[in-house]
Amino acid sequence: DQQVKQNSPSLSVQEGRISILNCDYTNSMFDYFLWYKKYPAEGPTFLISISSIKDKNEDGRFTVFLNKSAKHLSLHIVPSQPGDSAVYFCAASAGGGATNKLIFGTGTLLAVQP
Amino acid sequence: GAGVSQSPSNKVTEKGKDVELRCDPISGHTALYWYRQRLGQGLEFLIYFQGNSAPDKSGLPSDRFSAERTGESVSTLTIQRTQQEDSAVYLCASSFRAGPTDTQYFGPGTRLTVL
Repeated sequence: DQQVKQNSPSLSVQEGRISILNCDYTNSMFDYFLWYKKYPAEGPTFLISISSIKDKNEDGRFTVFLNKSAKHLSLHIVPSQPGDSAVYFCAASAGGGATNKLIFGTGTLLAVQP
Repeated sequence: GAGVSQSPSNKVTEKGKDVELRCDPISGHTALYWYRQRLGQGLEFLIYFQGNSAPDKSGLPSDRFSAERTGESVSTLTIQRTQQEDSAVYLCASSFRAGPTDTQYFGPGTRLTVL
């Protein structure tokens, strides 16, 4: 039972254009959402997060949008750069609990073409 | 090197053998997590330690899996009588505290292959 879903296994974008990565979730108890970026042979690194009380969070070229009614979030990267090529994981937590275990999606491989 | 480190980076073992994976968290981080990533899957939570509290073992897939943590330092994940389906990358993460906004920093992982 996949509680966090990333339905696009891969995405190819031209350098300078916008990359949009999507994520859907099913558990209405999730109240904190994160995006991690992963290069081959490395662990995931935190990119950006959003609390369920917000609908947008921006950090430089990266913006995360949250649509709670649709249980959907997206990561926008603009402008995309070749160094952004990596696997992007969406994750969620029900932070009101005693632990902060993250539930991850299966990832989207982003390829930014020069 | 102040990041999370894991050893070994790669482990190949035969079905039925026991393996032990090690994680050194970032100094001062009270929370430590183990996840695994099987081929084509997302990261799957296994176990979580926070200070002296009882660990959250809710993600361990079977009683062949166990983990220990010494104080707020090193953790070992042990898999007994390994099976081929245990083949995965095992990732450790640590965070300063265990709150929802405490960023989890991941190590590079241990790639386990069970033949």
